[in-house]
Amino acid sequence: QLVLTQSPSASASLGASVKLTCTLSSGHSSYAIAWHQQQPEKGPRYLMKLNSDGSHSKGDGIPDRFSGSSSGAERYLTISSLQSEDEADYYCQTWGTGIQVFGTGTKVTVL
Amino acid sequence: EVQLVESGGGLVKPGGSLRLSCAASGFTFSSYSMNWVRQAPGKGLEWVSSISSSSSYIYYADSVKGRFTISRDNAKNSLYLQMNSLRAEDTAVYYCARVPRDGYNFDYWGQGTLVTVSS
Repeated sequence: QLVLTQSPSASASLGASVKLTCTLSSGHSSYAIAWHQQQPEKGPRYLMKLNSDGSHSKGDGIPDRFSGSSSGAERYLTISSLQSEDEADYYCQTWGTGIQVFGTGTKVTVL
Repeated sequence: EVQLVESGGGLVKPGGSLRLSCAASGFTFSSYSMNWVRQAPGKGLEWVSSISSSSSYIYYADSVKGRFTISRDNAKNSLYLQMNSLRAEDTAVYYCARVPRDGYNFDYWGQGTLVTVSS
């Protein structure tokens, strides 16, 4: 079964960096994912597509502070130089034949 | 500029029906697969349904199969979700989302429309 696992929360200080993890279920370590940001009371915003080799392509207007990387079944989103507007929920997404799957989301708090 | 604008949400009684719409602009709607995704209050994102550009391929989450119907009108640049036999657990904000031509992820989202199922 295709499942994405995310930690519920993460925090870091203003100006620091934070690294979020999204883990693919067993047997799916080659899958690409996408990262989406959802600020409070807003719709989601696409950040990037992240491949198993760590290559990634960002959405329109996504700052360089957002980067992605991969290792095995884990997919990472790193946010550098944290800003107050980065306080949001972050969801990973993947897909199979006829299905789309989301992780449970990670709430990022900027201290 | 790509824009997706949902409408049609509201309050409906259990067992009732509602039809959501998503108006697309800023891109060639007929060339893109589209999806509906929902988010219950205080919860995460849940994929609901997808439809290919020409409506040839349609998929549903098990939670809505047999009750919801996705469709599109490429001439009107619009995506629809017909929701029947609504239950309290269908209460959520419903988003439409676009799939890029060269991928399977979602690359643009609407702002959402709230559906509340309650007596």
